[in-house]
Amino acid sequence: DGGITQSPKYLFRKEGQNVTLSCEQNLNHDAMYWYRQDPGQGLRLIYYSQIVNDFQKGDIAEGYSVSREKKESFPLTVTSAQKNPTAFYLCASISGGAGYNEQFFGPGTRLTVL
Amino acid sequence: AQTVTQSQPEMSVQEAETVTLSCTYDTSESNYYLFWYKQPPSRQMILVIRQEAYKQQNATENRFSVNFQKAAKSFSLKISDSQLGDTAMYFCAFMKRPDNAGNMLTFGGGTRLMVKP
Repeated sequence: DGGITQSPKYLFRKEGQNVTLSCEQNLNHDAMYWYRQDPGQGLRLIYYSQIVNDFQKGDIAEGYSVSREKKESFPLTVTSAQKNPTAFYLCASISGGAGYNEQFFGPGTRLTVL
Repeated sequence: AQTVTQSQPEMSVQEAETVTLSCTYDTSESNYYLFWYKQPPSRQMILVIRQEAYKQQNATENRFSVNFQKAAKSFSLKISDSQLGDTAMYFCAFMKRPDNAGNMLTFGGGTRLMVKP
């Protein structure tokens, strides 16, 4: 089955530590995205990548970093510079090409800072 | 930049009744897509319905339909014959028409819908 996987499902981090969230897709999608969701709020875009080895900042990129070395993978690192990292993180992907393409979402990772 | 506003943080409806969720947006774009996503307690985002701005006809998907008012920048979701499984957070979202725009989604703050038996 094609889809998007995120791991781990739950992640705990001590203050001052960096942590990396995994996102993998086998949909052969060109573009991938990271969103952050806070309790009772909508999703906000952190970073996105339209092609391998290229990515752009979203609305709330400060304190986060990404890489896109392979088409299938788009890991997100939450650095110690992120002041309030406790949140639910969603990865998404979309195929390229003209016209409308649906954005598919992974199951998410819940990050808690202890 | 686009903004999406959902003015109803929480709503409830009796099973089998009809409920309408509101959404307004602001954009200077003329070509775009609008979406309603459902996020049940599992937190998986599920696309419920989408509307293309250049189409005047309102989209429908089974029990779900929208009222798209382009001039008013309004995009409401009507759920008919509500079912217990409709209990979820509902997000309205906006996407510029894909043309190297990055296909990013801009989300509203969400409406928590509870369907009561």
